Amino acid sequence: AQTVTQSQPEMSVQEAETVTLSCTYDTSESDYYLFWYKQPPSRQMILVIRQEAYKQQNATENRFSVNFQKAAKSFSLKISDSQLGDAAMYFCAYRSARGLNNDMRFGAGTRLTVKP
Amino acid sequence: NAGVTQTPKFRILKIGQSMTLQCTQDMNHNYMYWYRQDPGMGLKLIYYSVGAGITDKGEVPNGYNVSRSTTEDFPLRLELAAPSQTSVYFCASSYSTIYNEQFFGPGTRLTVL
Repeated sequence: AQTVTQSQPEMSVQEAETVTLSCTYDTSESDYYLFWYKQPPSRQMILVIRQEAYKQQNATENRFSVNFQKAAKSFSLKISDSQLGDAAMYFCAYRSARGLNNDMRFGAGTRLTVKP
Repeated sequence: NAGVTQTPKFRILKIGQSMTLQCTQDMNHNYMYWYRQDPGMGLKLIYYSVGAGITDKGEVPNGYNVSRSTTEDFPLRLELAAPSQTSVYFCASSYSTIYNEQFFGPGTRLTVL
């Protein structure tokens, strides 16, 4: 079964600085999707960014970008120009491209604190 | 669109009681899911549905049942609640497996005492 590991339970960053959250995953598949979700104190899960494994180009969404290293099975999230509103739990998730169930496997999360 | 809505937001159950967590989506999504999130952990899939009348087990289905009689609704039933089912429950939906972003509801915090 696929597993997702987030080795940093907590991270902190100064406002306006850059922070990188780590994620590694284990799979024998070649085609899959990777996601970063943000969960603020409201508990709402919000999609931050998505990466298709067949794409070599790293995904970017405004201040959020990923470093996808397929061979190393690594998928880190970089947040540039951090804002107070970025404070939240961040979850990395994996989904196989095979099958119909759209089953996603989540890491345990990284709690990000943004200091003013 | 309201998106994915869940009721109730909070609930306390006694051991052995039963209850149904409600989930409704108004985006006409075929796929719906139930996850649980234990403290300090990521989400784990309980059950999912690929369309009305079709459901299947996820990673942690024991102690739960689901039904999908309409596209919009996907209730989760807890029978004989146990303390191990204390968790936050999230319902999610997605349009297809191709464009597979999952949209999440706000969650239900359940405590079993």
